[in-house]
Amino acid sequence: DTEVTQTPKHLVMGMTNKKSLKCEQHMGHRAMYWYKQKAKKPPELMFVYSYEKLSINESVPSRFSPECPNSSLLNLHLHALQPEDSALYLCASSQVGLAGSGETQYFGPGTRLLVL
Amino acid sequence: AQSVTQPDIHITVSEGASLELRCNYSYGATPYLFWYVQSPGQGLQLLLKYFSGDTLVQGIKGFEAEFKRSQSSFNLRKPSVHWSDAAEYFCAVGARVSGGYNKLIFGAGTRLAVHP
Repeated sequence: DTEVTQTPKHLVMGMTNKKSLKCEQHMGHRAMYWYKQKAKKPPELMFVYSYEKLSINESVPSRFSPECPNSSLLNLHLHALQPEDSALYLCASSQVGLAGSGETQYFGPGTRLLVL
Repeated sequence: AQSVTQPDIHITVSEGASLELRCNYSYGATPYLFWYVQSPGQGLQLLLKYFSGDTLVQGIKGFEAEFKRSQSSFNLRKPSVHWSDAAEYFCAVGARVSGGYNKLIFGAGTRLAVHP
């Protein structure tokens, strides 16, 4: 099973709202990722967790707050977002996330976020 | 700097015709190269990857890619395209970042349209 699940599929929120995106995998992977993808653009890395520790933060604004409660779950907490944050948010996972291993990242279907 | 270039933004082929999507990379060490496909509104699905060994890599859905170090290329091919192949195709390189972790650097993508 190489499935990564994400909920919700769609989310509409106002600029004052607080919401969360959820990602789950049961492949035993110890690295999990959040990517942001704007329309007609490639995915851009936001965060990487390896062994439940935040390993990479690509200078993402603090209105995005990731959380990895356990090795299977990854959350992205959203607060005071701007309309330009509207995008497809993709979660991915891989074995451990270390460079040099050539490991594959498996992606979820994404959450389409619209900020009004 | 590490980068991936996909020179063709948009390609249109007839069903049954052959296909080649181009990808060029810039990376100092031995690259780990990937091709992903994304249908509209969906996540990314891995088609194939090059890690080491045989430079001709077979993937899912009848796709193959050839790694040519001398040309810094990793072009994707399919001998006969089906209408269901219409999608966005991303080439990516696995790059080492600080702390020894891994990130994917994506090309801009090639949108494939298939005429019946």
